[in-house]
Amino acid sequence: QQQVKQSPQSLIVQKGGIPIINCAYENTAFDYFPWYQQFPGKGPALLIAIRPDVSEKKEGRFTISFNKSAKQFSLHIMDSQPGDSATYFCAASDAGGTSYGKLTFGQGTILTVHP
Amino acid sequence: AAGVIQSPRHLIKEKRETATLKCYPIPRHDTVYWYQQGPGQDPQFLISFYEKMQSDKGSIPDRFSAQQFSDYHSELNMSSLELGDSALYFCASSLDALRGTQYFGPGTRLLVL
Repeated sequence: QQQVKQSPQSLIVQKGGIPIINCAYENTAFDYFPWYQQFPGKGPALLIAIRPDVSEKKEGRFTISFNKSAKQFSLHIMDSQPGDSATYFCAASDAGGTSYGKLTFGQGTILTVHP
Repeated sequence: AAGVIQSPRHLIKEKRETATLKCYPIPRHDTVYWYQQGPGQDPQFLISFYEKMQSDKGSIPDRFSAQQFSDYHSELNMSSLELGDSALYFCASSLDALRGTQYFGPGTRLLVL
């Protein structure tokens, strides 16, 4: 049972476009929501993260929108570039609980940005 | 800035052999996590350690064991390897487990033949 559901599985945009990746979670104990970028054969790299006390967070070209009541959050990539082509994972953790912050990942989205 | 170091980066083993993966966390980080990522899959949590004690356990087979040493490095020991154990194994470290910010290493690619 996937506790964090991510969509779409793949996404193709043109350079300069704004890809949007969505995630939904079930566990209301989750209180930390990071996004990771992963290139083939590499480790996931932390992009941006949000906690449920804010509805939006922006860092550079990356923005997270968070809807606590709907238990959904999304990643927007502004002015996307071919170098952004990678797999993106959303994740969630119950950082304040007994799980010591283990991450539960979504299924991943393969993003392709065409020049 | 120093990152998480994992060794070896690549490992090829035969079925029923054993393997040991090592992880060196970012200096001063007190929590280490191990994840397994199959081809085209998301990372799956295996086990974690906080201040050298096991803090949480996920879907880790009984054939696997792990520990964190006094210098905070961690080792994942895998015995009786099976073909299905072929995967990328990531270690991540965190300064404060309660804040949840984990930084991942480059991974060890294990191939079991």
